[in-house]
Amino acid sequence: LAKTTQPISMDSYEGQEVNITCSHNNIATNDYITWYQQFPSQGPRFIIQGYKTKVTNEVASLFIPADRKSSTLSLPRVSLSDTAVYYCLVGALNTPLVFGKGTRLSVIA
Amino acid sequence: GAVVSQHPSWVICKSGTSVKIECRSLDFQATTMFWYRQFPKQSLMLMATSNEGSKATYEQGVEKDKFLINHASLTLSTLTVTSAHPEDSSFYICSARDLRGGYNEQFFGPGTRLTVL
Repeated sequence: LAKTTQPISMDSYEGQEVNITCSHNNIATNDYITWYQQFPSQGPRFIIQGYKTKVTNEVASLFIPADRKSSTLSLPRVSLSDTAVYYCLVGALNTPLVFGKGTRLSVIA
Repeated sequence: GAVVSQHPSWVICKSGTSVKIECRSLDFQATTMFWYRQFPKQSLMLMATSNEGSKATYEQGVEKDKFLINHASLTLSTLTVTSAHPEDSSFYICSARDLRGGYNEQFFGPGTRLTVL
């Protein structure tokens, strides 16, 4: 049973805000929500992590509703360099990250 | 930020030979390291978890005699693909985590592309 479900792909124009939603209906009390970005032929890079409500850093925001059964990664004003695969991961902090299929974001000029 | 390196970045070998891939945490001590494999257009698949000084824990379906993992120090883990065959051709990515001090981010290396002829 997959822990997370996210859209396979998304397209966006440069300068737009992109929101990628992830469903995790079976999230456990100890689970955190973490998002990673991966460019072709590179290792994944950490974007953001949260447990509940809203988390913001210099590159993204993460919105988590009260029931924690989903989360939304928000990328403000995307550029061509944001074209990548974005992974939503759910798990306890002391467990290895298990990747789902991810969302392939294509940013168009 | 913490940096994880891998060597080599790519390797081509003949079928039947063994290949060793090194993973190093450059500016932190990794109590736990992970090895992933990624085929083209697919997601990362966790192969094994290793703690420094202990035997690795392999995921179901991963042959421990084929993929030898050694985590001899807090900054180095190695993955040896023994008797490699073309179906072992893949992108191998290591990851490291330092749980001491409560910091939980998992840092990834740049990956090693293995091609077996």
